[in-house]
Amino acid sequence: AQKITQTQPGMFVQEKEAVTLDCTYDTSDQSYGLFWYKQPSSGEMIFLIYQGSYDEQNATEGRYSLNFQKARKSANLVISASQLGDSAMYFCAMREGQNTGANSKLTFGKGITLSVRP
Amino acid sequence: DTEVTQTPKHLVMGMTNKKSLKCEQHMGHRAMYWYKQKAKKPPELMFVYSYEKLSINESVPSRFSPECPNSSLLNLHLHALQPEDSALYLCASSYQAGGFAEQYFGPGTRLTVT
Repeated sequence: AQKITQTQPGMFVQEKEAVTLDCTYDTSDQSYGLFWYKQPSSGEMIFLIYQGSYDEQNATEGRYSLNFQKARKSANLVISASQLGDSAMYFCAMREGQNTGANSKLTFGKGITLSVRP
Repeated sequence: DTEVTQTPKHLVMGMTNKKSLKCEQHMGHRAMYWYKQKAKKPPELMFVYSYEKLSINESVPSRFSPECPNSSLLNLHLHALQPEDSALYLCASSYQAGGFAEQYFGPGTRLTVT
């Protein structure tokens, strides 16, 4: 079974509007971390936001916020006031806590392409 | 400064060539990573170094040879590659390999094997 699921094939949003990118995850660990990365066409993966499984508040970072619903195992990224520069591929990723030593790995979803229209 | 640098940005090599990819970070991070990424796919982990020691090798073919000369540098030596090895190679670093420290990525090296 996939550990990170991103099913939206491609998303379009009008400039200045908000958009939600979906991410569901699967883990039996109680301790885990969820990450969102942005990858423009230039190739660099840019870290956006982090949510820990024990964090009571939803993470926010500027125009990015994470809608964390633990019982539903979802960690959707909300981008407010979209800008043309937000057009990119977005990856959701998880690190599970059962093995937080040197051998723990970051598991990525398949990614979602976001296009912002002027 | 959350910068990871990679050189070269682009590399074209023949199947008999030997080349190296370089990665550098000056954030004091103790973990460094190599990923391979094909177009429109998520990155695939290749190697993890923790405190300059190789801690994960994801069954990568021996034609890829990593090296961590010091805590700031990470190299990937390439030899006798195949055309299917053409991809974007991303280097990343994090404060530590364990826990939930975020990874910071470099801009990548676009490798083409002819």
